Amino acid sequence: EDQVTQSPEALRLQEGESSSLNCSYTVSGLRGLFWYRQDPGKGPEFLFTLYSAGEEKEKERLKATLTKKESFLHITAPKPEDSATYLCAVQARGSQGNLIFGKGTKLSVKP
Amino acid sequence: SAVISQKPSRDICQRGTSLTIQCQVDSQVTMMFWYRQQPGQSLTLIATANQGSEATYESGFVIDKFPISRPNLTFSTLTVSNMSPEDSSIYLCSVADRFDQPQHFGDGTRLSIL
Repeated sequence: EDQVTQSPEALRLQEGESSSLNCSYTVSGLRGLFWYRQDPGKGPEFLFTLYSAGEEKEKERLKATLTKKESFLHITAPKPEDSATYLCAVQARGSQGNLIFGKGTKLSVKP
Repeated sequence: SAVISQKPSRDICQRGTSLTIQCQVDSQVTMMFWYRQQPGQSLTLIATANQGSEATYESGFVIDKFPISRPNLTFSTLTVSNMSPEDSSIYLCSVADRFDQPQHFGDGTRLSIL
């Protein structure tokens, strides 16, 4: 069964304190892995897509990496505005669009 | 990316009633999807809304409970029928240009059943 597990469930950081969020997955052939950010009361906002092991994507203070079993979202020198829930999702090869989501990591960055 | 509007943004309903949620996109899109986000749970795909034909439902979801329409390439509706407290959830619409492209989400409909 295709599955996504995110850790930790919640993470509290001080402003400027870098850290990483983990997304472990099992899927019957990976087509793509997606990272989203979700703010309270809003829908998920697309951040990155990764397609193959070794691939990396960057956007401002965020960097996503992918291996054959997991993905990391590295946050460098976070700011309070980076506080949000970060969601990881995978799409299996052969899928017609179904994204399988993890439960997310709730990040709080304190000034 | 496309601007996605969902209506209503929230509602409180009585058990046994039905509610129709609308998803409007400001440009034509190929793929439209409906997800459910229950408290403390992952987003789960309900169905893919197909233009001009019946929706494709995921395991555990049936048309009688969640009828879906998609009359054109910019609009879809999801109806939650005969609601019970277990249907209290956030319902989200997403769109994509192709099934293997990133999906973009609306802000959801927050539904509470009394």
